[in-house]
Amino acid sequence: GAGVSQSPSNKVTEKGKDVELRCDPISGHTALYWYRQSLGQGLEFLIYFQGNSAPDKSGLPSDRFSAERTGGSVSTLTIQRTQQEDSAVYLCASSLAADRITQYFGPGTRLTVL
Amino acid sequence: GESVGLHLPTLSVQEGDNSIINCAYSNSASDYFIWYKQESGKGPQFIIDIRSNMDKRQGQRVTVLLNKTVKHLSLQIAATQPGDSAVYFCAEKGSGGGADGLTFGKGTHLIIQP
Repeated sequence: GAGVSQSPSNKVTEKGKDVELRCDPISGHTALYWYRQSLGQGLEFLIYFQGNSAPDKSGLPSDRFSAERTGGSVSTLTIQRTQQEDSAVYLCASSLAADRITQYFGPGTRLTVL
Repeated sequence: GESVGLHLPTLSVQEGDNSIINCAYSNSASDYFIWYKQESGKGPQFIIDIRSNMDKRQGQRVTVLLNKTVKHLSLQIAATQPGDSAVYFCAEKGSGGGADGLTFGKGTHLIIQP
């Protein structure tokens, strides 16, 4: 079946603009995660959704970052008033609720803030 | 905060040889330790995990060893192939409530020489 998909694959924006990144998880996966990967670095956890429960926002770096998950499926990560330090690859992953160890990652969105 | 890190940033091995990738962790309360593989331009891919109450687990051509005494995790890949060239990340999942995202190390780049 289809894996996790993300769009756009690349996004170039100017400092101060808002951006929206989209994630389509694997069908049937109720857990969804967003991570950020800076150049040459490991992954930094941002936010976690489980079904219709309130998301775990403990990893969001500032209040300019927010995320939504509509209908328990598609998720959107929004970054307001982008800064150059927001440049990174944003990765989305999903998993079955009962197995949060095996996370399936999408290809990521490469965000460049000029 | 807690951290997960790697000893070597780059490892070069001959095709057909065995490779060992090491990782040090500091959070003794983690439930699971996981290895992910990331090929260029792709999201990380789950390889194998080990629960904190185990010290060894084997998969197909891979073995993960956990030494809780010295807080050390390793991934052994047998008979390396060109397709094994990638960045390998160790990750941990904490126990109990709180964030369900994984904490990743910085990664080791494995290069397979022909």
